[in-house]
Amino acid sequence: KAGVTQTPRYLIKTRGQQVTLSCSPISGHRSVSWYQQTPGQGLQFLFEYFSETQRNKGNFPGRFSGRQFSNSRSEMNVSTLELGDSALYLCASSPGTGPYGYTFGSGTRLTVV
Amino acid sequence: DQQVKQNSPSLSVQEGRISILNCDYTNSMFDYFLWYKKYPAEGPTFLISISSIKDKNEDGRFTVFLNKSAKHLSLHIVPSQPGDSAVYFCAALDSGNTPLVFGKGTRLSVIA
Repeated sequence: KAGVTQTPRYLIKTRGQQVTLSCSPISGHRSVSWYQQTPGQGLQFLFEYFSETQRNKGNFPGRFSGRQFSNSRSEMNVSTLELGDSALYLCASSPGTGPYGYTFGSGTRLTVV
Repeated sequence: DQQVKQNSPSLSVQEGRISILNCDYTNSMFDYFLWYKKYPAEGPTFLISISSIKDKNEDGRFTVFLNKSAKHLSLHIVPSQPGDSAVYFCAALDSGNTPLVFGKGTRLSVIA
């Protein structure tokens, strides 16, 4: 079966702009979680969507937002970009019921200049 | 407050020897633990997991040990191969639909 697809793979934006990242989960998976990876900080949890509702939220400012569509595809938006937002953004797809089956996409590398 | 800690940022091991990667956690509600392997510019790939009702799980060259009283788990790779060189992340969650919480990772280098 197809894996988790994240688009775009690479993105360069200017400070102050906004950006939208997309994640298409594995077919049948209802949960999409987003993570930010920066050097030395591991994977930090942003938020999780399950059946179009935000189910969990991490400790990121309100500039970071997301949504999930009825086909389970999810988008993440970052407004008023800062240099510190440069990171690899990863999404993970899972069935959403229980701790199993978390599968990650290849990520979107965002560079803010 | 970091709930999952990997205190060794890096580890070097000779090919053919055992690699032991360690992970500590502080949240006693965690009941499921996972290890992921990550190459640069790629997403993490699932390696092995263990439920809190077990103390050991084995899959080929990979074995995970869980010590609940010490809130500690470890990943053993035997024998280590150059292709195992990557960053390894420990992750944990409780089964109540909470998110996966990751450690900061350990970079493993297997030297031929």
